[in-house]
Amino acid sequence: AQTVTQSQPEMSVQEAETVTLSCTYDTSENNYYLFWYKQPPSRQMILVIRQEAYKQQNATENRFSVNFQKAAKSFSLKISDSQLGDTAMYFCAFWPTSGSRLTFGEGTQLTVNP
Amino acid sequence: DAGVTQSPTHLIKTRGQQVTLRCSPISGHKSVSWYQQVLGQGPQFIFQYYEKEERGRGNFPDRFSARQFPNYSSELNVNALLLGDSALYLCASSFIKQGSGTGELFFGEGSRLTVL
Repeated sequence: AQTVTQSQPEMSVQEAETVTLSCTYDTSENNYYLFWYKQPPSRQMILVIRQEAYKQQNATENRFSVNFQKAAKSFSLKISDSQLGDTAMYFCAFWPTSGSRLTFGEGTQLTVNP
Repeated sequence: DAGVTQSPTHLIKTRGQQVTLRCSPISGHKSVSWYQQVLGQGPQFIFQYYEKEERGRGNFPDRFSARQFPNYSSELNVNALLLGDSALYLCASSFIKQGSGTGELFFGEGSRLTVL
């Protein structure tokens, strides 16, 4: 079984600054994907970024990038130039390629202040 | 293109009642998954269906059941509702190949169930 841990229940950042959200996971799988999902007050879960475990290069999507440390089983999300619209709950999630389910962390509530 | 659609968006039931939640996946997606999200927590996996067959089941009691129809839409049924079943129920779809899925799911806005 997999577990995903997000140790920061809440974080805040000033607009235009950079913030990093932490995530660790535990698994015995060799092949898997890691994700960051964003859930604004509208409730819809939106994919922010995806990392394939067999790729050493960290994924980036515009202002969003990850620091993937496979040996340490760590997967942090960096948001650069934070915007008010980034305010949301952020979930780290794990998907083994052999499996059928996403395992989510408990979430980090990010607030971007003007 | 329409995204994942769920109905109803909100509903209130009393203990002991039964509820049916509905989900229509993105056109072309053959897999539908259901997740339960209790307030303040991350979503928990309930079921995955692919090509109308159950492919995975989470740690939920038999009061929870689901099915997938030939058009790939899905229903989640919960019988004998308990107060603890109050949650946001999320449906997600994907175009997934057995054993080689990327895990990228597209979520609906959820059905908010309140059990009184």
